[in-house]
Amino acid sequence: KAGVTQTPRYLIKTRGQQVTLSCSPISGHRSVSWYQQTPGQGLQFLFEYFSETQRNKGNFPGRFSGRQFSNSRSEMNVSTLELGDSALYLCASSLGGLRDTQYFGPGTRLTVL
Amino acid sequence: AQSVTQLGSHVSVSEGALVLLRCNYSSSVPPYLFWYVQYPNQGLQLLLKYTTGATLVKGINGFEAEFKKSETSFHLTKPSAHMSDAAEYFCAVTHGNQFYFGTGTSLTVIP
Repeated sequence: KAGVTQTPRYLIKTRGQQVTLSCSPISGHRSVSWYQQTPGQGLQFLFEYFSETQRNKGNFPGRFSGRQFSNSRSEMNVSTLELGDSALYLCASSLGGLRDTQYFGPGTRLTVL
Repeated sequence: AQSVTQLGSHVSVSEGALVLLRCNYSSSVPPYLFWYVQYPNQGLQLLLKYTTGATLVKGINGFEAEFKKSETSFHLTKPSAHMSDAAEYFCAVTHGNQFYFGTGTSLTVIP
């Protein structure tokens, strides 16, 4: 089975721009979660989608949004980028959600200049 | 609010020595507990998880962890460290509709 894939792997943007990251889950997995990893704040939960619905949400501003498609692929969007948004963004998929084993992708490294 | 505390951001052990990585959580209700490992420039991989039942959980690569409710702890151990164990280890907990990671422990294995 193919693992979780994330595209692109690297991105460079400037402040004020917006960005869209993509995540393709393992086949059959209906839950996709997103995490932000930074040296200062560590790993933080952004949100979880299950069957095209946002089911859980972390403590991030509304500039961070996401969606999930009928094939379970998910996208995360960050609008009006700030320098502090520079991070590794990880997505993870699972069968049932946060209580299940989550399989992580390699991440997208976002740099905001 | 739920939180996860990992004592020791850096741990060094000699090859063949015991590995002990500490994790404590704060919750009045036992949560679901996880240990993940992250190798350089890679995503995270599940080592083991505790949901309910047996408090001693065995995972991959010889790791195990014991859930101690009285101590609100979920420490990770491995009897004999291998060079390939060098990585960042994260304790995590899910409770309610949130998922929390600890700050991570970087494990160095000295030959």
